[in-house]
Amino acid sequence: NAGVTQTPKFQVLKTGQSMTLQCAQDMNHNSMYWYRQDPGMGLRLIYYSASEGTTDKGEVPNGYNVSRLNKREFSLRLESAAPSQTSVYFCASSVGTSGGFDEQFFGPGTRLTVL
Amino acid sequence: AQSVSQHNHHVILSEAASLELGCNYSYGGTVNLFWYVQYPGQHLQLLLKYFSGDPLVKGIKGFEAEFIKSKFSFNLRKPSVQWSDTAEYFCAVNPYYGNNRLAFGKGNQVVVIP
Repeated sequence: NAGVTQTPKFQVLKTGQSMTLQCAQDMNHNSMYWYRQDPGMGLRLIYYSASEGTTDKGEVPNGYNVSRLNKREFSLRLESAAPSQTSVYFCASSVGTSGGFDEQFFGPGTRLTVL
Repeated sequence: AQSVSQHNHHVILSEAASLELGCNYSYGGTVNLFWYVQYPGQHLQLLLKYFSGDPLVKGIKGFEAEFIKSKFSFNLRKPSVQWSDTAEYFCAVNPYYGNNRLAFGKGNQVVVIP
């Protein structure tokens, strides 16, 4: 099992460009998440999806959109990138749809720089 | 605002020293509590978690954590650290009983000197 995979690993964008970060999991998990990690800020939830076909905003959703394409895949889109979106982006998944008990499994991250 | 607090962001200690990292949260009601670790160049992974029962929980690699409800705390401990414990440690709280959202603290960067 590959677990949670993310592409690309690194990306440099110019202000105003758009891009989509891809995430896939092969563990048959129901819930998927997108976080951003900034130095000294910990991880902050951008969006999450408790099941296929549902998405909800997290703590910092502005400037992002998501798509839960199917049970395996959850993509994050930046429509018009801004320097404030320079960060490391992590995708994660967990088995259940609710309850808050489940371990989240994380991908390797995408390091994004917006110039 | 409701939050998860971790103090002493940078910790430097020698091998065999004891480690304690504090975590305090401000959410009321039932919470689920986690500690995650990120070793250099690796994914975040779960160290331990607490939902109910014995407030002293044991995790991987000799770590343990104690839940003190009256203090809204979930402190992480290891009696004797090794160089391989160099990592960033994150406390996380699920304050939204009924869904899986986690609120993370800002992390503790721990460096163990051989």
